[in-house]
Amino acid sequence: QQQVKQSPQSLIVQKGGISIINCAYENTAFDYFPWYQQFPGKGPALLIAIRPDVSEKKEGRFTISFNKSAKQFSLHIMDSQPGDSATYFCAASVGGKLIFGQGTELSVKP
Amino acid sequence: EAGVAQSPRYKIIEKRQSVAFWCNPISGHATLYWYQQILGQGPKLLIQFQNNGVVDDSQLPKDRFSAERLKGVDSTLKIQPAKLEDSAVYLCASSLLGGNQPQHFGDGTRLSIL
Repeated sequence: QQQVKQSPQSLIVQKGGISIINCAYENTAFDYFPWYQQFPGKGPALLIAIRPDVSEKKEGRFTISFNKSAKQFSLHIMDSQPGDSATYFCAASVGGKLIFGQGTELSVKP
Repeated sequence: EAGVAQSPRYKIIEKRQSVAFWCNPISGHATLYWYQQILGQGPKLLIQFQNNGVVDDSQLPKDRFSAERLKGVDSTLKIQPAKLEDSAVYLCASSLLGGNQPQHFGDGTRLSIL
């Protein structure tokens, strides 16, 4: 019940395309859903986050869509760029305890 | 502002040896976290401190792992004795007040056990 399931495991997108990563959870007590971006040899960096009372949040090219009834949320990266190539992790939190998904390795081809 | 500092960046030891990692959080951040990230997986919380008190250590293998945060600032994580399955990146993160406030991660220590 504490798991967060993330898909796909890897994703290849052409430059300018839309990257979509999906996550699902079971624990309805989760009240905060951040996305992290991690480059090789670096720690995860917070990208964008949403709370369950909001269905969508957009920051620049990054959008989170949240479906509370389905217990799913997704990250959309518009106009994907080669510099976006990294591993992306969704997470869910209750009281600040983050449970991470398994990660998606995104490769954006020029 | 300076980020979360961790050292060393890399460590190679043999199984059954001991090892220690150090973390200096962002100045003023009351909450400090240690995570273990095994290759190909997401980070897993080991322990959470609020100032110098432990908030959550439910996933810390206490027979071999220990952590402390003296004076509510720097923290050390120790493994003794190390096992092969402890090979991972150990990440430190901090947040201003805990709860659902953003967590800022350091670049981690990559530990290899031979």
